[in-house]
Amino acid sequence: TQLLEQSPQFLSIQEGENLTVYCNSSSVFSSLQWYRQEPGEGPVLLVTVVTGGEVKKLKRLTFQFGDARKDSSLHITAAQPGDTGLYLCAGANFGNEKLTFGTGTRLTIIP
Amino acid sequence: DAMVIQNPRYQVTQFGKPVTLSCSQTLNHNVMYWYQQKSSQAPKLLFHYYDKDFNNEADTPDNFQSRRPNTSFCFLDIRSPGLGDAAMYLCATSRDRLAGNEQFFGPGTRLTVL
Repeated sequence: TQLLEQSPQFLSIQEGENLTVYCNSSSVFSSLQWYRQEPGEGPVLLVTVVTGGEVKKLKRLTFQFGDARKDSSLHITAAQPGDTGLYLCAGANFGNEKLTFGTGTRLTIIP
Repeated sequence: DAMVIQNPRYQVTQFGKPVTLSCSQTLNHNVMYWYQQKSSQAPKLLFHYYDKDFNNEADTPDNFQSRRPNTSFCFLDIRSPGLGDAAMYLCATSRDRLAGNEQFFGPGTRLTVL
């Protein structure tokens, strides 16, 4: 069974600060996705990383896939209240339509 | 805009009273999923359809059933809801089994069991 552990589980920081969320596994994934879920809504896909070592930027968000494709990180620069939500990483494997979701990180940005 | 739609957004039912949640998609995706999500936890896969092929997760209770009458629609039936079934139910779609397998979620249905 593949598992994805996210850390921290909860994070509450002031607006303008930087933060990093980690997603770790002992298993290799073909690709890894990051979702953000706002209260009362479904998860929204932010990014997919496919290549080991890949770095993708989405405005103030920087996503990195580990060289061995077992882990990933999400870095947010100058956090804003709109970044508040549940962040989920999810691993995918070629030929399998199911995702392995991470344990989730609840992020709160305090104005 | 292509999207995943869930109805209703909020559903209240009584203990033991059957309930049906619906999901429709305009993405023409092959795969449709039903997830259960409880507060601040990751979504838990209940089952999914790859086209017409139904795939049940081993730990999904028999109380949960699903139907996919066509590509666009999928239903979740809870035959006898218990208090522990109160949760957010998420429908998602994906195009196929290729690497990446990005899933697109609906807004969810919040189920309350009285």
